[in-house]
Amino acid sequence: DGGITQSPKYLFRKEGQNVTLSCEQNLNHDAMYWYRQDPGQGLRLIYYSQIVNDFQKGDIAEGYSVSREKKESFPLTVTSAQKNPTAFYLCASEGSTDTQYFGPGTRLTVL
Amino acid sequence: QKEVEQNSGPLSVPEGAIASLNCTYSDRGSQSFFWYRQYSGKSPELIMFIYSNGDKEDGRFTAQLNKASQYVSLLIRDSQPSDSATYLCAVNIVWAGNNRKLIWGLGTSLAVNP
Repeated sequence: DGGITQSPKYLFRKEGQNVTLSCEQNLNHDAMYWYRQDPGQGLRLIYYSQIVNDFQKGDIAEGYSVSREKKESFPLTVTSAQKNPTAFYLCASEGSTDTQYFGPGTRLTVL
Repeated sequence: QKEVEQNSGPLSVPEGAIASLNCTYSDRGSQSFFWYRQYSGKSPELIMFIYSNGDKEDGRFTAQLNKASQYVSLLIRDSQPSDSATYLCAVNIVWAGNNRKLIWGLGTSLAVNP
């Protein structure tokens, strides 16, 4: 059953805490993306990776970090430096037709 | 600043009618255009993509692309209440040298009334 999974579905973070969001895909896609979605705003690109062991900053990378040690996995860490992390986080992978497919998302709330 | 614009709506249509959603974009070099549907609280799901000028049909959905006028539209025929969602338009642009990325519109909210 091919697809993209994200965990957890809901995540609560205390002030000053780092948290890591998981994203896994078994679609054999090379490229993976992290977006953030806030009410009234479009999807904003945080980081992307075109290939294993390589990744680039998107439009709003400050306060976030990523790794790409395996083709299947692209975890996102929200650090304490991110001042307004409450949002819906979406992971996507991209196939050969430039088409992006999304995981179910993680909703992060700062307590 | 490369942009994608959509009417936020809400667009309200009766069940069985045709819903027409529009999107304009600023980058003349864009080559790929996508429509996604997003239900409240859920992630976007791909409806269809279009690369060439003209119409592309998939079931009840038709995407229309006009590169000269820089717009792409989505028609939904025989609209159903289950089509009620936010529809996101995305356009692929060249960014930071040789990279490409999607630029997203804010979405149009569609309500199909029984």
